Amino acid sequence: KNEVEQSPQNLTAQEGEFITINCSYSVGISALHWLQQHPGGGIVSLFMLSSGKKKHGRLIATINIQEKHSSLHITASHPRDSAVYICAVPYGGATNKLIFGTGTLLAVQP
Amino acid sequence: NAGVMQNPRHLVRRRGQEARLRCSPMKGHSHVYWYRQLPEEGLKFMVYLQKENIIDESGMPKERFSAEFPKEGPSILRIQQVVRGDSAAYFCASSPLSGVSTDTQYFGPGTRLTVL
Repeated sequence: KNEVEQSPQNLTAQEGEFITINCSYSVGISALHWLQQHPGGGIVSLFMLSSGKKKHGRLIATINIQEKHSSLHITASHPRDSAVYICAVPYGGATNKLIFGTGTLLAVQP
Repeated sequence: NAGVMQNPRHLVRRRGQEARLRCSPMKGHSHVYWYRQLPEEGLKFMVYLQKENIIDESGMPKERFSAEFPKEGPSILRIQQVVRGDSAAYFCASSPLSGVSTDTQYFGPGTRLTVL
């Protein structure tokens, strides 16, 4: 069992749909990162959150530390949102190194 | 304030050659992480460095791989005698603080290494 699991692995949506990507983790952490990676591209940090909810534009991230679960929501999805979304948690005590989920490949069709 | 810079962006090597990957952290950041993304696999931690110190190299292969972060200049990930299995995207990330789990890591664009 992976220490960080994401679902779904693949997601196809129509433009304008509301999208949810889930992340569950078993390692003990106090924060979680959501990252975005376009095919062949670099990695962009979308959110780092340790409690509650954060919003940036059409993106919303929530976390429940007790249940070790986080969700990333995209409202009014657009084809340019098509990318791989990755959650990552810091572990290893003082080093803060990240362990990553396998990613969710999102394709938003016009 | 420039972001994390990596070069080269693409690197092609033949089996047995050496590969040197460079990472310049964001200004003011003194902590660097290297991660590797093998084809069709997720990202995996390799090594964590502070200036002039390797703090955690638990993710580094035992042979042929080394990393440094000198007092001056970029962090370098060095792969000796490359093999086809080393073909991957190598990302570095920097942060201003260590041991703070709520600290964001800023990623570079990555170096895509292809071993022929």
